[in-house]
Amino acid sequence: DTAVSQTPKYLVTQMGNDKSIKCEQNLGHDTMYWYKQDSKKFLKIMFSYNNKELIINETVPNRFSPKSPDKAHLNLHINSLELGDSAVYFCASSQDYRGGDSGNTIYFGEGSWLTVV
Amino acid sequence: GNSVTQMEGPVTLSEEAFLTINCTYTATGYPSLFWYVQYPGEGLQLLLKATKADDKGSNKGFEATYRKETTSFHLEKGSVQVSDSAVYFCALSRRGYQKVTFGTGTKLQVIP
Repeated sequence: DTAVSQTPKYLVTQMGNDKSIKCEQNLGHDTMYWYKQDSKKFLKIMFSYNNKELIINETVPNRFSPKSPDKAHLNLHINSLELGDSAVYFCASSQDYRGGDSGNTIYFGEGSWLTVV
Repeated sequence: GNSVTQMEGPVTLSEEAFLTINCTYTATGYPSLFWYVQYPGEGLQLLLKATKADDKGSNKGFEATYRKETTSFHLEKGSVQVSDSAVYFCALSRRGYQKVTFGTGTKLQVIP
């Protein structure tokens, strides 16, 4: 069973379109994340939810809107796609962002490759 | 604030060579330190971690020791294989903090 699964894996779409990426985790974790990875492999946090509550909202255009219907799901909707949105988007989860004695280990999905043309 | 600095890549090595990827950090208190690996076309996965000073994390022949005196967590492997070709990320987390801080990643290419 895949621990963190996201769909679609590949997405090619035209500028101006609206698209969504879905994510589910079956690890029983409380915290979920969206990261963006650019072509140089730089990883940037976008959003984080803990038990459906938004706890991180980085400087991201408001065209990006996360939605967490329950703590096992965190979807990402993007309006009016731009060329610069082309990247790999990773969904991830962790037991609890507060960590503990063993630290905050992040579990990543396989990524969604978004290409805007 | 917290930060992680790791050596720039790409690093190109011949098979069976010794690998070191440097990582230093800035954080107050006692962060937990991690190495993640990203194979081509995949997501990041935990390679190893250490949660307190002088701890050594190890996995798949890779090792890293948490050195508080030098604020470092260098990744080493005695003999790399072609299958180790990937991007390696150093990271830290602090208890109670919302964000995990990642380094910029170091690409490793191992040639036969």
